[in-house]
Amino acid sequence: KNEVEQSPQNLTAQEGEFITINCSYSVGISALHWLQQHPGGGIVSLFMLSSGKKKHGRLIATINIQEKHSSLHITASHPRDSAVYICAVRTDGIIQGAQKLVFGQGTRLTINP
Amino acid sequence: EPEVTQTPSHQVTQMGQEVILRCVPISNHLYFYWYRQILGQKVEFLVSFYNNEISEKSEIFDDQFSVERPDGSNFTLKIRSTKLEDSAMYFCASSEGPGNQETQYFGPGTRLLVL
Repeated sequence: KNEVEQSPQNLTAQEGEFITINCSYSVGISALHWLQQHPGGGIVSLFMLSSGKKKHGRLIATINIQEKHSSLHITASHPRDSAVYICAVRTDGIIQGAQKLVFGQGTRLTINP
Repeated sequence: EPEVTQTPSHQVTQMGQEVILRCVPISNHLYFYWYRQILGQKVEFLVSFYNNEISEKSEIFDDQFSVERPDGSNFTLKIRSTKLEDSAMYFCASSEGPGNQETQYFGPGTRLLVL
């Protein structure tokens, strides 16, 4: 079983729609990241959160630690939001320092004009 | 804005050859990572590096792989004898602080093709 599961795998919507991408994880974590991967392959970090909610422009990320679930929302979606959105978790570890990320399989979002 | 850079952007090599992938992390960052993404698959962790030593490595990171920080700016990943299955996009990342406190910044990746 994958430690990080995302849904849906693919999502197509019309410009202006409200988008929700979900991430569930099965391990103890110290932080969760939402990343954006562009068609060329580059990865950009959108959010890192360990509790509650964060907002940046039209993007909102929430996390429920008890339920081991996070959501990424996009309001007023635009074709330029089309990308693969990846959830990644930083697993609990005893050793402080550089810790690995465990990645979900990504959600491919396409926003049509 | 500071960014992580990687060279080369693309590399084609013959099976069995050694390759070195280079990364220049953001200058004040102390924590460094290598990830790979096989075409069509999810991103996978390879290795993390802090204080001039490996912090953690995955089962993928076997004896054929090594990392080095040869000077104050570069962070390299060496694959000693490449296999066909090493073909992937390799991403370097860095962060200022420990993994649960700081965002990781990713480089643009090196696309490696092993023939």
